[in-house]
Amino acid sequence: EVQVVQSGAEVKRPGSTVKMSCNVSGKTFSDHYLHWVRQAPAKGLEWLGLVDPKDGEVLYAEKFKGRVTIRADTSTDRTFMEMISLRLEDTAVYFCATGDVPVPNFWGPGALLTVIS
Amino acid sequence: QSALTQPASVSGSPGQSITISCTGTNSDVGSYNLVSWYQQHPGKVPKLIIYEATKRPSGVSHRFSGSQSGRTASLTISGLQAEDEADYFCFSYMGSTSSFVFGDGTSVTVL
Repeated sequence: EVQVVQSGAEVKRPGSTVKMSCNVSGKTFSDHYLHWVRQAPAKGLEWLGLVDPKDGEVLYAEKFKGRVTIRADTSTDRTFMEMISLRLEDTAVYFCATGDVPVPNFWGPGALLTVIS
Repeated sequence: QSALTQPASVSGSPGQSITISCTGTNSDVGSYNLVSWYQQHPGKVPKLIIYEATKRPSGVSHRFSGSQSGRTASLTISGLQAEDEADYFCFSYMGSTSSFVFGDGTSVTVL
């Protein structure tokens, strides 16, 4: 059974940095991309980026280039997402997701990031 | 506002069929058969129901089907049931920016 376990909720100040992690078990970690997606309260899904764990190649949404860094650690089957210069509007639930098909079909439970002044 | 356009809401009666559209451009939806669809119930994690425009993951009901014509992808729900009431998001690769994007989402109401 594939399991995606995320790190816990975070509370941060504007201008600070958050780092979230996600552990995947039950499948070959490097077989498929690892995506990061967020969802602000009562809003839709927003794609942040992905990492290919085979070679570390990353893709980012234009909006997050320069502010988000995603990487994968194949020695621990974990992916990390770091976001700098946090703003109030970054308050959201952050999901990591992977799959056994070309797009994510195994999602973590989400981790709430609250940015509060 | 997303680069992928979805209707804000669609409704239907139990047993009916409804279709949700997702319109992009020739550089994303129109160039790749890579549109996926996710169902999300309130407070729940998104669930993949269609990928690569027409494929259903294992375990997904046959009442869900996908199609694509040009720059518009569509999700059809047949035999609408109360449990289908949820938000539905399309998701596509964008060749122009080498990235992925979600549509703004469609709220489905079962009357």
